Amino acid sequence: GEDVEQSLFLSVREGDSSVINCTYTDSSSTYLYWYKQEPGAGLQLLTYIFSNMDMKQDQRLTVLLNKKDKHLSLRIADTQTGDSAIYFCAESGSGGYNKLIFGAGTRLAVHP
Amino acid sequence: GAVVSQHPSWVICKSGTSVKIECRSLDFQATTMFWYRQFPKQSLMLMATSNEGSKATYEQGVEKDKFLINHASLTLSTLTVTSAHPEDSSFYICSALVGGSYEQYFGPGTRLTVT
Repeated sequence: GEDVEQSLFLSVREGDSSVINCTYTDSSSTYLYWYKQEPGAGLQLLTYIFSNMDMKQDQRLTVLLNKKDKHLSLRIADTQTGDSAIYFCAESGSGGYNKLIFGAGTRLAVHP
Repeated sequence: GAVVSQHPSWVICKSGTSVKIECRSLDFQATTMFWYRQFPKQSLMLMATSNEGSKATYEQGVEKDKFLINHASLTLSTLTVTSAHPEDSSFYICSALVGGSYEQYFGPGTRLTVT
């Protein structure tokens, strides 16, 4: 079946880089996504990557995709306190890009 | 950018009553909307897919008679929790999809507490 796994917690110092990892099971996923959720709020789409890409960079965000190992990572450069949130990895799954399967979320804590 | 709103943002109701939650796409037309449920410190669970003008498609294990979904227009979908019970207390989040798009735009969520 479809499953997405993430580590639950990550703590980094302000100014350092953060790397959040995710593994997924459905090799037919067309798109893979990273969403950010701040306390009490909905989800904000941070970035996404098409399955035929290896890397995508968008300002401080770098997404790496290892399709062979079904591993996705999100690197946040120069992490700031405002980056503290829960980060969800999601795959589009076999239902096409409409139906998203989410991981449990990684809580990122940024400390001075 | 695409904006999705939800109303209300939070609601408290008594057991046995029904609650309606609205999801609106404010600046685009959404042919498809999704309803998710999120428990504290857990991931989002897809409840149903709502297509304008047709019946919603429910995920396995979700009671369609308890969670009524109506997608009456291209900008509005509603979720009605009927005969609510305390175990229905949760954070309900909707998202909207523009036809042919790969991005789902999420609403801010509605926190439901059933007493």
